[in-house]
Amino acid sequence: NAGVTQTPKFQVLKTGQSMTLQCAQDMNHEYMSWYRQDPGMGLRLIHYSVGAGITDQGEVPNGYNVSRSTTEDFPLRLLSAAPSQTSVYFCASSYSDRGFYEQYFGPGTRLTVT
Amino acid sequence: GEDVEQSLFLSVREGDSSVINCTYTDSSSTYLYWYKQEPGAGLQLLTYIFSNMDMKQDQRLTVLLNKKDKHLSLRIADTQTGDSAIYFCAEKGAAGNKLTFGGGTRVLVKP
Repeated sequence: NAGVTQTPKFQVLKTGQSMTLQCAQDMNHEYMSWYRQDPGMGLRLIHYSVGAGITDQGEVPNGYNVSRSTTEDFPLRLLSAAPSQTSVYFCASSYSDRGFYEQYFGPGTRLTVT
Repeated sequence: GEDVEQSLFLSVREGDSSVINCTYTDSSSTYLYWYKQEPGAGLQLLTYIFSNMDMKQDQRLTVLLNKKDKHLSLRIADTQTGDSAIYFCAEKGAAGNKLTFGGGTRVLVKP
């Protein structure tokens, strides 16, 4: 199993550009999430999905879109990049078993917006 | 919303014990977790504890939970240089399948 994979590892964008961060998992997990990590602020949830075709907003959704057409893939789209979106982005997939919930994280995408 | 707080930094000598503390506000937490993040990598689950337990031991790791005070701690015995990392506390509430993360504690192990 590759687990959770993310591409690209690094990206530099100019303000106003758009791009898609890719995330894929091969563990057949129902749940997938996108977080951003900023120094001293921990991980903040951007969007999440509880299954194919179902997505919902997290804590900081503005400026980001997601879709979940398959169980495996959960891309994150930045529509018009802003310097405030400079961050490290983590995708996670999760399963739930009788109340227990475990998240598996990808290696992250480091994004800089100039 | 629910909140999880951790101190920012901990420095410890190799071979000593480390204790990382975490407080949370969600009184309906069901599971509490400790994740480890090494430089340039994603988070990896270290250990977790169910909310009806007071303590869990797993090799060098001891998790203590004080549910009344909503306080969680992670003790690492015989700390090694490979334990240098950022440690995140997280909690799962009773409703939904989402985790709330603390800000992370950066642990530096000095030889």
